[in-house]
Parts: sequence; structure tokens; C-alpha cells
Amino acid sequence: AQTVTQSQPEMSVQEAETVTLSCTYDTSESNYYLFWYKQPPSRQMILVIRQEAYKQQNATENRFSVNFQKAAKSFSLKISDSQLGDTAMYFCASSNAGGTSYGKLTFGQGTILTVHP
Amino acid sequence: NAGVTQTPKFRVLKTGQSMTLLCAQDMNHEYMYWYRQDPGMGLRLIHYSVGEGTTAKGEVPDGYNVSRLKKQNFLLGLESAAPSQTSVYFCASYGGAIDTQYFGPGTRLTVL
Repeated sequence: AQTVTQSQPEMSVQEAETVTLSCTYDTSESNYYLFWYKQPPSRQMILVIRQEAYKQQNATENRFSVNFQKAAKSFSLKISDSQLGDTAMYFCASSNAGGTSYGKLTFGQGTILTVHP
Repeated sequence: NAGVTQTPKFRVLKTGQSMTLLCAQDMNHEYMYWYRQDPGMGLRLIHYSVGEGTTAKGEVPDGYNVSRLKKQNFLLGLESAAPSQTSVYFCASYGGAIDTQYFGPGTRLTVL
């Protein structure tokens, strides 16, 4: 079974600054995926970034990047040049790849990020 | 292309009442899921389906039933609602070019 832990219930950052959200996970699988989802007040779940465990290169998407430390089972999200629209709940999630995993996601508890003007 | 849609968006039930939540996707995905979201607990998998006519239990299946009679639809039923089922329910489907889950807008259910 997979577990995902987010140890920061809340974070805040000033507009234009950089913030890092932490996530640790545990899995016995050798191949898996890691995700960060954003949930704004609208409640919609929005995929922010995706990392394949067999790829050593950290994923990036515009202002969002990850620090994937496979040995430490750590998967942090860095948001650069924070914007007011980044205010949301952020979920870290994992999924086994292939086999009988069927794409099932295991989520962390979430981190509420507030961007202040 | 609407993606994943959920009906209804809000619902209030009394204890013991029944209801069905409908999820529909137009992306031709094989896999579909129902999650519930409770404060401080993230999303937890209730049931899932790997194709038309199939269903399987997730992490928290008790008190719920599901059906997948058509590939594009995944129904979640509550036969006798309890206050502990007050939650936000999300449907998702899996597939696409980047092999990930696409979520519906959620249904807020309150059981009094």
C-alpha cells in the first residue's frame, strides 16, 4: 500500500516570492507516478505537475517545479514568482504504474497555501 | 468536449434517505473512480471501475454501491444515508496522452 504525507497544513507567501511545499511518500513499487494537484476555492481539482519515478530529471511546468529525491522518498513542489491566483489547497498524490494499479491515486492531507499581496 | 461532469452539484438528505450521484465522461476513458473529500484527510477512494460492467472496492467502500452500465457513466449510490457520509464527492476518469486522472467539479452532500 502507498502512503503520502504532507506535514505542512498551512503555508503563506508574499506575492512574487518563492515557496516550497513538502511531501513524503512510501511505496514498495519500483515504478510509480507522483503528482501535485491544486484545489482553488472553486473546488475543482487541477493537475499542476506530474513526475514519473523512473525519470531522474525533475519535472517543471512554467513557474512550478519539483524536487524529486527518490532515495529519500521526497517530492516537494516549488512555486516561483507566486501569484494571488496560486492561493489554493495543494495535494500531493501517488499512483503505481501499470499492472493492477489501474491509475488509483493515494492523496496526502493537503497544504493550504495563501499568497498575500 | 465537457470532460468529466457530475450531477447534482449540491444535495441535502435526511438520515435514511437514498440517492444516486451521476458521473459522466466524454473522453472514452476505461477507468473511472469515486472519491470522497473530508476536512484534513485529503481524497479517499470509495469505488472504481476498470471498464464497462466492472466495479471494485476502494479504501472506504462501506455504505456505497456503484454501477457502470455504460462506459461513459459511473453511478454512486447511497442506499440509506448517514451523517458520516456528509462530504464532497469527486468523480474522476483516467487516461489521455499524459496518463493521468481528470476530475469532475465535485458534489457537496450534506446528510442531516
